[in-house]
Amino acid sequence: EVQLVESGGGLVQPGGSLRLSCAASGFTFSSYSMNWVRQAPGKGLEWVSYISSSSSTIYYADSVKGRFTISRDNAKNSLYLQMNSLRAEDTAVYYCARAYGSGSEVYFDYWGQGTLVTVSS
Amino acid sequence: SYVLTQPPSVSVAPGQTARITCGGNNIGSKSVHWYQQKPGQAPVLVVYDDSDRPSGIPERFSGSNSGNTATLTISRVEAGDEADYYCQVWDSSSDHQGVFGTGTKVTVL
Repeated sequence: EVQLVESGGGLVQPGGSLRLSCAASGFTFSSYSMNWVRQAPGKGLEWVSYISSSSSTIYYADSVKGRFTISRDNAKNSLYLQMNSLRAEDTAVYYCARAYGSGSEVYFDYWGQGTLVTVSS
Repeated sequence: SYVLTQPPSVSVAPGQTARITCGGNNIGSKSVHWYQQKPGQAPVLVVYDDSDRPSGIPERFSGSNSGNTATLTISRVEAGDEADYYCQVWDSSSDHQGVFGTGTKVTVL
């Protein structure tokens, strides 16, 4: 059974940093691209970042480019999101999601339960 | 950047058919995927590549995509289908980006 378990969320002050983790199990982690998707309270889904299976290709949403860094450790079956210079508008539940497909046909076939990040003074 | 527009809400009686639209410029040339999200839960993929269903998703869920509109159809609606639904594409035209629609709340009357 595919499982994705996020951790690392919490309360952080504006301008602060936080590192999220996602532990994967039940599939060959090193064979799949991974993503982070977030959802602000009461709002819709927003894609945040993508990393290919070998970490050779990385994409970011414009809203986080230059502040967030996605990475992975295939030996540890883990995905990470380093978030710096956090703003109030980064407050959201952050989901780890497995990607399926390639090119222009990427979709998210498994999701974790999410971890809440609150940016507030 | 690419924009996907959905109606904020759709209401449907049990046993009837719900249709949720997702509008985007020439969306028919892209692969569209749909997610269901119930309150307090993570999204679940219900349709991928316009009209395919993952294992375990009822045949009542179907999709189509043409021109500037993609549609998720839920036939014989049940109370358990009440949820938010999001369409999604991958925009590889310039910066590669995942794009979600604005979301539609389906209410079962």
